[in-house]
Amino acid sequence: NAGVTQTPKFQVLKTGQSMTLQCAQDMNHEYMSWYRQDPGMGLRLIHYSVGAGITDQGEVPNGYNVSRSTTEDFPLRLLSAAPSQTSVYFCASSYFGLVRGGEKGEAFFGQGTRLTVV
Amino acid sequence: AQTVTQSQPEMSVQEAETVTLSCTYDTSESDYYLFWYKQPPSRQMILVIRQEAYKQQNATENRFSVNFQKAAKSFSLKISDSQLGDAAMYFCAYRSAAAGTASKLTFGTGTRLQVTL
Repeated sequence: NAGVTQTPKFQVLKTGQSMTLQCAQDMNHEYMSWYRQDPGMGLRLIHYSVGAGITDQGEVPNGYNVSRSTTEDFPLRLLSAAPSQTSVYFCASSYFGLVRGGEKGEAFFGQGTRLTVV
Repeated sequence: AQTVTQSQPEMSVQEAETVTLSCTYDTSESDYYLFWYKQPPSRQMILVIRQEAYKQQNATENRFSVNFQKAAKSFSLKISDSQLGDAAMYFCAYRSAAAGTASKLTFGTGTRLQVTL
């Protein structure tokens, strides 16, 4: 059971380039989300999904696109990278309910992607 | 909208001592969940402890316990018998209990905990 897998772990982009951050989970979680972490600001929600085919915007969605064609995958696309998108990105998944097996309704996070836009 | 505030950017504790990290939040909801996550230098987000708002009893996980004051909207984390491995960034997080909100966590800005010998 791998949990939440994010790729790549590190990436350097030039301004204007596009790329996709990959996220996959094998826990059959309905909910998935993307956060960015910036110094002194904690984690902020970019986009989230409550199930395959359903996505919605979070607190800081501008410059990012998402889609959810399967329960397992939730990629994040940067259409035209900007230096302001330099950050650490986390993908997370969670179960709909509160308790299932050993879970406690919490979000499970991937290991993060450190993205630098130059 | 909910907000989470961690007013201590950095804390320091000696090994084997006890330290308390503060967190306050603001919400108009009556049913919600609160979490403390630990982020070591590896960057991995690790759940430390969870509290359901409808439970009056404070959550405890081994050396970690919380002081949940619903009326005051306060959720502090106490770490007893601190160990070197406890050194990390700690984030307080809020999640509504409403349907469709499990993916939407609101985080505080974090407290960096240093553990000294």
